[in-house]
Amino acid sequence: DTGVSQDPRHKITKRGQNVTFRCDPISEHNRLYWYRQTLGQGPEFLTYFQNEAQLEKSRLLSDRFSAERPKGSFSTLEIQRTEQGDSAMYLCASSSPAGAVYEQYFGPGTRLTVT
Amino acid sequence: QKEVEQDPGPLSVPEGAIVSLNCTYSNSAFQYFMWYRQYSRKGPELLMYTYSSGNKEDGRFTAQVDKSSKYISLFIRDSQPSDSATYLCAIVRDTGRRALTFGSGTRLQVQP
Repeated sequence: DTGVSQDPRHKITKRGQNVTFRCDPISEHNRLYWYRQTLGQGPEFLTYFQNEAQLEKSRLLSDRFSAERPKGSFSTLEIQRTEQGDSAMYLCASSSPAGAVYEQYFGPGTRLTVT
Repeated sequence: QKEVEQDPGPLSVPEGAIVSLNCTYSNSAFQYFMWYRQYSRKGPELLMYTYSSGNKEDGRFTAQVDKSSKYISLFIRDSQPSDSATYLCAIVRDTGRRALTFGSGTRLQVQP
């Protein structure tokens, strides 16, 4: 399978714990995006990387959230001191260097439940 | 006011029906308009995109943009049970940004 992969697919954690999600983009895709989707809503943009540089961050990305893409390949999204409001699906997407802005390919997501 | 508004549904139709899904948007400066399909517990997949006003057809799917009314539509002809999914409209606010702004999605159920 050469699509975007995300790990884990599901995560249950207790409030106050830290969690980290991983995203592996499509090979040779230099652009990588993180979105968050809550039940009954569309995805909301969190942040965007071009290669290893984080070029755009949403106001939704509070101080408890940090994303990295150290070598311009896979990316991690860490949430510190999780809150119940962080329960959501975290989606990763990638696009190619020549791809248009709308050509974002999404992974299956990581579903986070904070108890 | 949300930048993109979409009726959440659910919309239930019999197999073979023509489906009309709609969104409105708030800013006339928006340039790109997309439709994504999302099956349960999956990530969204791009169905169609349009750049300007008018229609764009791809098989059973037609995307329509009316910039004067700030209205975008997706029509599905000869709907199939496999079309049952949530349909999300999305826009790009400006070419300087790469974030997609999504509507809340319309859940479609095609009954066999």
